[in-house]
Amino acid sequence: EVQLVQSGVEVKKPGESLKISCEASGYSFTSHWIGWVRQMPGKGLEWLGIIYPGDSDTRYSPSFQGHVTISADKSISTAYLQWSSLKASDTAMYYCARHDSSKDCYPTDWGQGTLVTVSS
Amino acid sequence: SYELTQPPSVSVSPGQTARITCSGDALPKRYSYWYQQKSGQAPVLVIYEDSKRPSGIPERFSGSSSGTMATLTISGAQVEDEADYFCYSTDSSSNHRGVFGGGTKLAVL
Repeated sequence: EVQLVQSGVEVKKPGESLKISCEASGYSFTSHWIGWVRQMPGKGLEWLGIIYPGDSDTRYSPSFQGHVTISADKSISTAYLQWSSLKASDTAMYYCARHDSSKDCYPTDWGQGTLVTVSS
Repeated sequence: SYELTQPPSVSVSPGQTARITCSGDALPKRYSYWYQQKSGQAPVLVIYEDSKRPSGIPERFSGSSSGTMATLTISGAQVEDEADYFCYSTDSSSNHRGVFGGGTKLAVL
């Protein structure tokens, strides 16, 4: 059974850095893309980007390129999403999702979400 | 950047057929996918590759795509189907760059 377990709630101040995690199990971590999706309060889903842990190939949405960094540590089957300087507008729920890429690349299995609140 | 457009809301009575549309210029060349998100929960994939249903998804959920429009159909909608539904596809320039539609709130009442 595929499981994606995300790190817990974060409360940060503007300008602080943050790295949240997503630990994967139940499948070959290095053989599937894994990515991140944002959901701002009361809003829809936004696709941020994906990484292929086998070779660290990373793709970003143009809307998020340069604002976040996606990485992975294949030795511990964990993907990460990080910010160097948070803004209040980064307040959102962040989901990690394993992607299937047999044809198009799309999310199949989801983590439980990590709530990030940025407030002074 | 590429966009997918959905109606903000759809409302049906229990037992009726609900249809949720998603339009996008690249849909003639790209598959569409549909996710259900109930309040306070993570999304769940209900349709992939335009019309395929993952195991465990009820048969009343079906999908289709024609031209620039994809459609999610829930035949005989149940009260428990009330949720937000999001379409997803990939950019015309890369099938490794995803995008979600804005979402449709389905009311079954």
